[in-house]
Amino acid sequence: NAGVMQNPRHLVRRRGQEARLRCSPMKGHSHVYWYRQLPEEGLKFMVYLQKENIIDESGMPKERFSAEFPKEGPSILRIQQVVRGDSAAYFCASSPPARSSYNEQFFGPGTRLTVL
Amino acid sequence: GENVEQHPSTLSVQEGDSAVIKCTYSDSASNYFPWYKQELGKGPQLIIDIRSNVGEKKDQRIAVTLNKTAKHFSLHITETQPEDSAVYFCAAFTVMDSSYKLIFGSGTRLLVRP
Repeated sequence: NAGVMQNPRHLVRRRGQEARLRCSPMKGHSHVYWYRQLPEEGLKFMVYLQKENIIDESGMPKERFSAEFPKEGPSILRIQQVVRGDSAAYFCASSPPARSSYNEQFFGPGTRLTVL
Repeated sequence: GENVEQHPSTLSVQEGDSAVIKCTYSDSASNYFPWYKQELGKGPQLIIDIRSNVGEKKDQRIAVTLNKTAKHFSLHITETQPEDSAVYFCAAFTVMDSSYKLIFGSGTRLLVRP
């Protein structure tokens, strides 16, 4: 049973380019979360998605960032016109349908984005 | 909203000693508290979790305690080994506006000296 898959593992972009990060959840998981981690810092929530539905995007910058989780295929985090401050590790986590009492999230290996 | 504070930020112990990491949270409605271990260059790994209906949970050398009244929970690692060296994150589960999310502490870098 494969875990959460993310690709690419490393991504280098020049300022102004677009970055696309992909996440395939664990088998049987229908919920996906994206987090950003700056060097030497903790995990900051960005967005929570179910299939074809954004549940909570309160942690995602309003401009340049978007996320989707289509009916078929992986979840995509898209960053347009990247700037140096976007350099970070981006982690995806997946979970079974969340319950009101707990929410086990399993993380992928991350995509390390470097903006030159 | 929920806020999670974690201490210490770094912790160095001798192999075989115990390590304790503490977290406090602000939302009294939070009822699930996982702990993650992150090794260099890898994603966080869930190592233990506790729900609010219990005060303590143990899994071999690691244990977690929860004090709901004081709103704090702790990770205890006994008989530490060099492979325990990593960054550890606590988190609190919160429900807000129909959204379920984990709020993470800032992390503790644990170094176990051989």
